[in-house]
Amino acid sequence: SYVLTQPPSVPVAPGKTARISCGGNNIGSKSVHWYQQKPGQAPVVVIYYDSDRPSGIPERFSGSNSGNTATLTISRVEAGDEADYYCQVWDSSGDCVFGTGTKVSVL
Amino acid sequence: QVQLVQSGAEVKKPGASVKVSCKASGYTFTTFYIHWVRQAPGQGLEWMGIINPSGGRTTYAQKFQDRGTMTRDTATSTVYMELRSLTSEDTAVYYCARTKTGTTEFDFWGQGTLVTVSS
Repeated sequence: SYVLTQPPSVPVAPGKTARISCGGNNIGSKSVHWYQQKPGQAPVVVIYYDSDRPSGIPERFSGSNSGNTATLTISRVEAGDEADYYCQVWDSSGDCVFGTGTKVSVL
Repeated sequence: QVQLVQSGAEVKKPGASVKVSCKASGYTFTTFYIHWVRQAPGQGLEWMGIINPSGGRTTYAQKFQDRGTMTRDTATSTVYMELRSLTSEDTAVYYCARTKTGTTEFDFWGQGTLVTVSS
């Protein structure tokens, strides 16, 4: 089955840039969606189709996808961005696959 | 406004079954697929399967094909997920989430239902 690998944690200082990777075999050929999940809450989509941003999501959130790695970038990080982030794709057999998840800690 | 309202927390014994509901409102029920995703304590997200509310067709992740059943009631815009032969490893928060027909991102999620399996 298809595997998506994320770093367990990404520490970042306020005002700096956080980059969260999502590694998968030829992931560049798939559409990647990213979700933010805060403690005790349901996930919220922050980036869809690699780099599109839903209404209401700050422009500080951006995404890219190429080769074997997709990346979620959070610019000018704020305390409120502290959360778990998951990437997600659909594999060739029609199953949904989530990444292992990354905890963004604002120092 | 769009709402996916799930049923309340459940406590079950090993070997029992659980049925969780997800009531949709604020949109046309048959134009969005409903998925079930679960999250064990401190763990990541795991997709369980999908139901098309329009015709009732379902697809399950291989892991849940033998134990899971998803159904819908179009009269009440409610989707149900039943999981049988529960073990402690099924202790998790269960979410329903929707995708619009023709798209692949989960654009709205229910609030989650905690299912605890304990003897």
